Amino acid sequence: AQSVAQPEDQVNVAEGNPLTVKCTYSVSGNPYLFWYVQYPNRGLQFLLKYITGDNLVKGSYGFEAEFNKSQTSFHLKKPSALVSDSALYFCAVRQMASKIIFGSGTRLSIRP
Amino acid sequence: GAVVSQHPSWVICKSGTSVKIECRSLDFQATTMFWYRQFPKQSLMLMATSNEGSKATYEQGVEKDKFLINHASLTLSTLTVTSAHPEDSSFYICSAKRTGDLHEQYFGPGTRLTVT
Repeated sequence: AQSVAQPEDQVNVAEGNPLTVKCTYSVSGNPYLFWYVQYPNRGLQFLLKYITGDNLVKGSYGFEAEFNKSQTSFHLKKPSALVSDSALYFCAVRQMASKIIFGSGTRLSIRP
Repeated sequence: GAVVSQHPSWVICKSGTSVKIECRSLDFQATTMFWYRQFPKQSLMLMATSNEGSKATYEQGVEKDKFLINHASLTLSTLTVTSAHPEDSSFYICSAKRTGDLHEQYFGPGTRLTVT
């Protein structure tokens, strides 16, 4: 069975500092990995995905994520955080022809 | 492109009544749509997968007679919560897969349901 874990409920970062939101996954085959962001009372917005190819994936709003097969991780990163990045972030995984599974979410708080 | 809308954005209904939530893909055709439920400060839980022209596939533990899903066209899926109870109060989010797209889902803005 596939699963995804976000070990941190909340991440606090000062504006201008780099940020990392952690995600690990478990699948039996090749994973398809996604990051989404959710603002209050809104649906999910797609940030980036890893399907195949380069392990470093660049996405929207300056975010990037690195696929690490040996560590089964797909951490979300940004070199310089903005206050507007404060939101709820979800990592998700799916295998071909199966449903997408979401992590529990990490609340990112950027202080001015 | 790839915009998904939901209507209404929020709704309040009384216990025992039914409420319908619409999910529309505005600029693409969606063979498959998904309905999720999200409790406060929790992740999205898949309720059902809706395929155009066929019966929805419900996840384990989701009552198909209570949460009626209809996907009558390539741009519209509806979720009807029948005989609503306060415990049905939640944030309902739909997503759509563009026909021919293997990986991405496009999410609607969600519908906040409050049952009094």
